Order: sequence, then C-alpha cells, then structure tokens
Amino acid sequence: QKEVEQDPGPLSVPEGAIVSLNCTYSNSAFQYFMWYRQYSRKGPELLMYTYSSGNKEDGRFTAQVDKSSKYISLFIRDSQPSDSATYLCAMRSTTSGTYKYIFGTGTRLKVLA
Amino acid sequence: DADVTQTPRNRITKTGKRIMLECSQTKGHDRMYWYRQDPGLGLQLIYYSFDVKDINKGEISDGYSVSRQAQAKFSLSLESAIPNQTALYFCATSDFGLAGDTDTQYFGPGTRLTVL
Repeated sequence: QKEVEQDPGPLSVPEGAIVSLNCTYSNSAFQYFMWYRQYSRKGPELLMYTYSSGNKEDGRFTAQVDKSSKYISLFIRDSQPSDSATYLCAMRSTTSGTYKYIFGTGTRLKVLA
Repeated sequence: DADVTQTPRNRITKTGKRIMLECSQTKGHDRMYWYRQDPGLGLQLIYYSFDVKDINKGEISDGYSVSRQAQAKFSLSLESAIPNQTALYFCATSDFGLAGDTDTQYFGPGTRLTVL
C-alpha cells in the first residue's frame, strides 16, 4: 500500500464550479501537508501548505487537513480555465532523523470554458 | 533568470551509455534533491543533499549516483542507462529555515530523458 493515495483523474468541471481534490495517507508521523500545482511541461510549484489539522484559506483556495481520518483536501472556488493543471499533494515528516517528503501521484484537473 | 535550472532539457540516449544531468540554483538554498516522475507513479526521490558534504539515498537510488560540486550545483548520473530509466527528471531545492515549517521545495523545469 502506498503511503499517500491520490485519485489520478482526470477531473473535468465547468468554469465557475467548486473543485474538491483529495489525498489519503497512512503514516501518522506526517506533520506538514502541502499542495503543489504542476502545469504541463513545468516543474511543480507550491500552492498551499498546512501544519497539522485544520483549514487554511488563500483567495479561491482552501486546504483542509483531518489527521484523525488521515485525509487532506484542496478546494478551489470559482474555478477558471487557468486552473487546469495537475495537483499534487505532498507530506513531510522528520522522525528519528529520517527525512520523508512524499508526493501523491497527482490529480489532473481540466476546467472547461 | 530562473532560480533553478536544469541541463539538458531533453536527451535521447542508448542503453549502456553514461548520462549526466546537471542542476544549478541561485536561491542560496542548502538542500537539493533529484526526483523522477513517471505517469501513475508520481514523484519519486532519487537522492537528496542537505549540504555539500551530506548526500543521502532516496527511495529509488539504484542505478543512479550524484555529485554535489558546490552549494549551487547538484548533478545526477546514470552510469549505464537502461530503458526503464526513461522518465522526467526534476531537480529541486529547499531552505529549511529557522521556522522549520514546510521545507518548501522549488523545482526546476525538468529534463525529459529517453533511453532507447
């Protein structure tokens, strides 16, 4: 079983829709939770991060972490065609000196004009 | 100019050849990483380096080696390339600051490597 699971999509939505992207994980040592966005033929770039459980909002984006369920989400409000990209969740822990920074496989999102 | 650059951007080579991928950064970060990205498998960590004298294996280091020539330069070598090393390779940097937090990774544009 992978430590981080993410539905690969593709997910197609009309412009203006609310998008929900999710990841589940199995390692309770993960403390930091990130969402990266990757446009075609580009490297990933950090979009949002959250420490431990809770919500964080930044403009049209909201990141949620539920550590009790080992489940994280990214919501995109009023989605735009420019949001079309692959979204990667990532998680980090440092336990007993072992560095772990694990990425999900990514969900491909298409926002249709 | 881009903060993290990778050369070459595209490379086609043959089985058994030695290949070097280079990464340079102007962000002043101590930490550098090499990942490969395959469809359906996501990003997998090959090697990482927390400073010039500290190099560590990641999840999938077999068949690869690295060299950290300076704080700003981190090279990945495939000693004898094989077809299943065909992938998109990314270099990344991060700066684990005083606040700790996310250890945000900044990625280069990637190198598309094809091994025939």
